[in-house]
Amino acid sequence: KQEVTQIPAALSVPEGENLVLNCSFTDSAIYNLQWFRQDPGKGLTSLLLIQSSQREQTSGRLNASLDKSSGRSTLYIAASQPGDSATYLCAVTPGNSGYALNFGKGTSLLVTP
Amino acid sequence: DAGVTQSPTHLIKTRGQHVTLRCSPISGHKSVSWYQQVLGQGPQFIFQYYEKEERGRGNFPDRFSARQFPNYSSELNVNALLLGDSALYLCASSLGQVGRVDQPQHFGDGTRLSIL
Repeated sequence: KQEVTQIPAALSVPEGENLVLNCSFTDSAIYNLQWFRQDPGKGLTSLLLIQSSQREQTSGRLNASLDKSSGRSTLYIAASQPGDSATYLCAVTPGNSGYALNFGKGTSLLVTP
Repeated sequence: DAGVTQSPTHLIKTRGQHVTLRCSPISGHKSVSWYQQVLGQGPQFIFQYYEKEERGRGNFPDRFSARQFPNYSSELNVNALLLGDSALYLCASSLGQVGRVDQPQHFGDGTRLSIL
């Protein structure tokens, strides 16, 4: 059974810092890995998708990397802003299903002015 | 373009009742998935439908059922509600083409279900 773990569970940083969120998964047989953002009481916003054959994806101040063999992904946020405060979730699409996302519990990020 | 829309946004029920949640996917998306998210946890997969057929089911009891309509919208039904069914129910849509690994899932804002 695919297990997804996110570290740290919570993080507080001052505005302007660069930060890294970590995601690990137990089974390297995945189709892709997706990073999402969730604001309190809201749904999920897709940030980045990395296909299993890719090493990284970038969107603006966000960069996500994938090391499938070691079962790890990182989300790098440059020059953090208070508006980045949210919960960040990573999810993998297992290779044995191709459709159901397996999520971690998320990292709750607070960026203080 | 409209994103994934879910209705209602909030719902309060009592134990033993049943509930129907609705989801409209992004235009052109043929796949709809349902997830349950309890407070402090990541979403858990319930169902996926593609072209009106059930493609997969998560580890949920038979009290949970779903269907997809010809216009690709979907309903999630839950019977005999329990206190533990209180959660945020999320719907996601995607193009859903088999074997494609570059198609992200897009989520709606969810339905907050509270069981008293």
